[in-house]
Amino acid sequence: NAGVTQTPKFQVLKTGQSMTLQCAQDMNHEYMSWYRQDPGMGLRLIHYSVGAGITDQGEVPNGYNVSRSTTEDFPLRLLSAAPSQTSVYFCASSYGQRDTGELFFGEGSRLTVL
Amino acid sequence: GENVEQHPSTLSVQEGDSAVIKCTYSDSASNYFPWYKQELGKRPQLIIDIRSNVGEKKDQRIAVTLNKTAKHFSLHITETQPEDSAVYFCAAPPVGTYKYIFGTGTRLKVLA
Repeated sequence: NAGVTQTPKFQVLKTGQSMTLQCAQDMNHEYMSWYRQDPGMGLRLIHYSVGAGITDQGEVPNGYNVSRSTTEDFPLRLLSAAPSQTSVYFCASSYGQRDTGELFFGEGSRLTVL
Repeated sequence: GENVEQHPSTLSVQEGDSAVIKCTYSDSASNYFPWYKQELGKRPQLIIDIRSNVGEKKDQRIAVTLNKTAKHFSLHITETQPEDSAVYFCAAPPVGTYKYIFGTGTRLKVLA
């Protein structure tokens, strides 16, 4: 199993550009989520999903969109990037629903918005 | 709503000493309490967790204790080693919400 795979690992954007961070898991996990981690700060939840077709907002959802059309994939979209979105983004997944358990993280995507 | 407070934000200990990190949560519906370790430049990884039906769990040099009445749980690391230097995060996801919110993290430095 590859686990949780994020792409790209690094990206530089100009203000106003759009992009999508990809996240895929091959563990048949129901729960998937996106976090951002700013320098010296903790993990803040952006959006999460408890299954295909179901998404919900986390702590810091503004400026980000998500969708969950399949169990495996949970892309994060930035429609108009801003310098404040410069951060490291982590995708994570878990079996979820019936039994809260371990979150498995991807390696992270470092985004810089100029 | 979900709220997890974590203290201290930084902690320096001499190699061989013990380290304790504490988290306080607000939602009495929480019943799962994990601790994650994030080494520099790496992804967070689960190191130990506890469920509400037990008060303590140990795994070699690390342990977690839970006080449900007071709504706090702690990570204990004994005989610390340089490789324990990392940022540690706690969480207390409430049952039924599936919102996995983390504490603000503790940067542990083990001084050789």
